Amino acid sequence: EDQVTQSPEALRLQEGESSSLNCSYTVSGLRGLFWYRQDPGKGPEFLFTLYSAGEEKEKERLKATLTKKESFLHITAPKPEDSATYLCAVQALSYSGSARQLTFGSGTQLTVLP
Amino acid sequence: EPEVTQTPSHQVTQMGQEVILRCVPISNHLYFYWYRQILGQKVEFLVSFYNNEISEKSEIFDDQFSVERPDGSNFTLKIRSTKLEDSAMYFCATKAGTAQYFGPGTRLTVT
Repeated sequence: EDQVTQSPEALRLQEGESSSLNCSYTVSGLRGLFWYRQDPGKGPEFLFTLYSAGEEKEKERLKATLTKKESFLHITAPKPEDSATYLCAVQALSYSGSARQLTFGSGTQLTVLP
Repeated sequence: EPEVTQTPSHQVTQMGQEVILRCVPISNHLYFYWYRQILGQKVEFLVSFYNNEISEKSEIFDDQFSVERPDGSNFTLKIRSTKLEDSAMYFCATKAGTAQYFGPGTRLTVT
């Protein structure tokens, strides 16, 4: 069974204070690892897809990295508008190919204080 | 930028009633999904749909649930006889390449 564990559950940072969020995963064969941002009462907003160990993706103040067992979302010099819950999800390789479901972690609730 | 849309944004229903949640996918997307999120819990997969048939479904997606694409544009989730435990946010997601794009959700409250 695919499993995704995110830590910490919650993180409070001062504006400009860089940090990292962790996503550990267990999957039979990784098709892709996804990072989403979710604001309260809204749907998950796609950020990144990572496919293989060593891969990195960047978008503004966010950088996602991937190893064979975990992924990190690094936040550099965060601003209050970066406050949200960040979700990690995996998609496993399977007979159903591209239609395969995502398995989500519980998320890290990030608060950036001005 | 194209977006997934969902209606209604909030649905209140009595236990035992049928509800239909609607989604308009991004126009060139071919894969469709329903997920749900009970308040304070993880996003959970319900069902995936491709080429007018179900590809995968979870244990949650029992005989009370059904999906269809009635007119080639809308993608619907029907719950035949709602239970209190069906109260959740229901998200539609659609995909063309690799990433699934989520709609804003329908908050279903069963009383």
